[in-house]
Amino acid sequence: KNEVEQSPQNLTAQEGEFITINCSYSVGISALHWLQQHPGGGIVSLFMLSSGKKKHGRLIATINIQEKHSSLHITASHPRDSAVYICAVSLTYNNNDMRFGAGTRLTVKP
Amino acid sequence: ETGVTQSPTHLIKTRGQQVTLRCSSQSGHNTVSWYQQALGQGPQFIFQYYREEENGRGNFPPRFSGLQFPNYSSELNVNALELDDSALYLCASSSTLNEQFFGPGTRLTVL
Repeated sequence: KNEVEQSPQNLTAQEGEFITINCSYSVGISALHWLQQHPGGGIVSLFMLSSGKKKHGRLIATINIQEKHSSLHITASHPRDSAVYICAVSLTYNNNDMRFGAGTRLTVKP
Repeated sequence: ETGVTQSPTHLIKTRGQQVTLRCSSQSGHNTVSWYQQALGQGPQFIFQYYREEENGRGNFPPRFSGLQFPNYSSELNVNALELDDSALYLCASSSTLNEQFFGPGTRLTVL
């Protein structure tokens, strides 16, 4: 069993819909990361969080340390949000031991 | 401020050959991490370099090795290439405690 599990694996939504991607992990962590990967491979770091909630534009990330669970929400989704969203955890404070989920492929249709 | 760059973009090698991939860190970042991402999977941590020293290693064999230079740029070397080494190789730089900034990746194909 993977140490980082994401759901769903694939998600198709209509433009404007509210989207939630979930991440569960089974190890002790220093921080959790949400990453966005577009076709071609480049990865952008969206959030790094160790408690509570963070918001950036239409994106919201939450984490529940006790339940070892995090969610990424996208409000008012848009076709340009189509990408693979990856959850990753740092086991150490300096990120020298990171574990990644397999990613959630999101497609937003106009 | 320039971002993280990687070269080459794409590379094709044959089994048994050796390859060197390069990464230039974002300005001011002294830490670089390398990851391997097979098709359809999440990245896997290879190793991290901090101030020219290896500072953590994932579950990869010794034929995966690295270097970090005084300007904090880095190389990933893979010897005796195997078919399963075909993947996207990503580097990410950070300033130790901060979030990582990823490069665009090098796609390696081993035939």
